Amino acid sequence: QSALTQPASVSGSPGQSITISCTGTNIDVGGHSFVCWYQQHPGKAPKLMIYDVNNRPSGVSSRFSASKSGDTASLTISGLQPEDEADYYCSSYSSNDYLLFGGGTKLTVL
Amino acid sequence: EEQLLESGGGLVQTGGSLRLSCVVSEFTFRSYAISWVRQAPGKGLEWVSSIIGGGDATFYADSAKGRFTMSRDSFENIVYLQMNSLRGDDTALYYCAKGGERWYRGHLDYWGQGARVTVSS
Repeated sequence: QSALTQPASVSGSPGQSITISCTGTNIDVGGHSFVCWYQQHPGKAPKLMIYDVNNRPSGVSSRFSASKSGDTASLTISGLQPEDEADYYCSSYSSNDYLLFGGGTKLTVL
Repeated sequence: EEQLLESGGGLVQTGGSLRLSCVVSEFTFRSYAISWVRQAPGKGLEWVSSIIGGGDATFYADSAKGRFTMSRDSFENIVYLQMNSLRGDDTALYYCAKGGERWYRGHLDYWGQGARVTVSS
């Protein structure tokens, strides 16, 4: 049971786009369509931003999009805004009946 | 809007036990999976365990297997996490979260405020 791999940090200026990667294996990210992305602001509970690889829950801005290619999932945030500064986590089901999280990526809006 | 309310956290000595509770709505209790996810101080999210909606099948992370037990009380709409043989690396904020109809989707769309567990020697 290993965590998914995310970059520790990414940054961008307001209005720009950034992409966060999430790399797993063929038994988790690459083997299923059950990849989710969560946003967490300091001191707050996580918030679901993307489910089933590329679906947004109601109320989540269309500036958030996601995709998957092979064993790597990606979250893209376009038109960066100051309130997007947060930690982002990917998660995936793994075939041996685990839910895995990535280590988290700290997004800084410059 | 769904609300989940955890309780039962606290300070416990190494080797001790704690039981966390998570109260959910009846509809959620019958229809959706519930998961426990923890976050050690300054660290990332870690899945701990899940229970299927309307049933008793449970799933655990390696770190929880053999020490933690997740269960449900159908009369009170409460999900429990019994934690035994606690050790220092169990120190964390424990979140209860509502999942999808199929537990393996993850899809944790509602979260509680967290219950803090501190294990001290």
